[in-house]
Amino acid sequence: DIQMTQSPSSLSASVGDRVTITCRASQDIRNELGWYQQKPGKAPKRLIYAVSSLQSGVPSRFSGSGSGTEFTLTISSLQPEDFATYYCLQHNSYPHTFGQGTKLEI
Amino acid sequence: EVQLVESGGGLVQPGGSLRLSCAASGFTFNDHYIDWVRQAPGKGLEWVGRSRNKANGYTTEYAASVKGRFIVSRDDSKNSAYLQMNSLKTEDTAIYYCTRSTPGGGPNNFNVWGQGTMVTVSS
Repeated sequence: DIQMTQSPSSLSASVGDRVTITCRASQDIRNELGWYQQKPGKAPKRLIYAVSSLQSGVPSRFSGSGSGTEFTLTISSLQPEDFATYYCLQHNSYPHTFGQGTKLEI
Repeated sequence: EVQLVESGGGLVQPGGSLRLSCAASGFTFNDHYIDWVRQAPGKGLEWVGRSRNKANGYTTEYAASVKGRFIVSRDDSKNSAYLQMNSLKTEDTAIYYCTRSTPGGGPNNFNVWGQGTMVTVSS
């Protein structure tokens, strides 16, 4: 199985900050990675697909980058509505696997 | 509107069975796969399984934690997918989500999720 190691597990930040979340895959997953935002009591929402493609309707302050085994999600200027938990997901091979999550807190 | 709606969750005793449903609307159901993802209380997301479409032989994939106990299926005539859960364990307690995916990935991959349905396994 491919392990997705996500860091940090939690992050305290302020409105306007730039933050970066990293996912490291245990083997090459090509570009088959997405990033998801989840707020309490809600379903996950896709932000980024294929490493760096922005989901329609998602603000441009969100961006993704990386290749092979190391990937990052960057929020360029945090807004109040961005405080949530973020997950990466690899769908290169089975079982598909999520990172452990990053809780972004004020 | 593209939508997935889960139903069928509830309280079940260990060793029991439950069938979840996922009703799709607003898109061509038989062009898509359906994946199931769960989230135990206070925990992260766990991929559970996949039901491929007719063009891909209605084949299935499972996480090791559920293989042999859970069965994913679909009925294209009803635009619905199902998760049959047997021999349930307390550790299967979770919110279960369905999400659509597409052959080869792409922009419609995991971009639509249902609201989730809660399954509680307890005596």
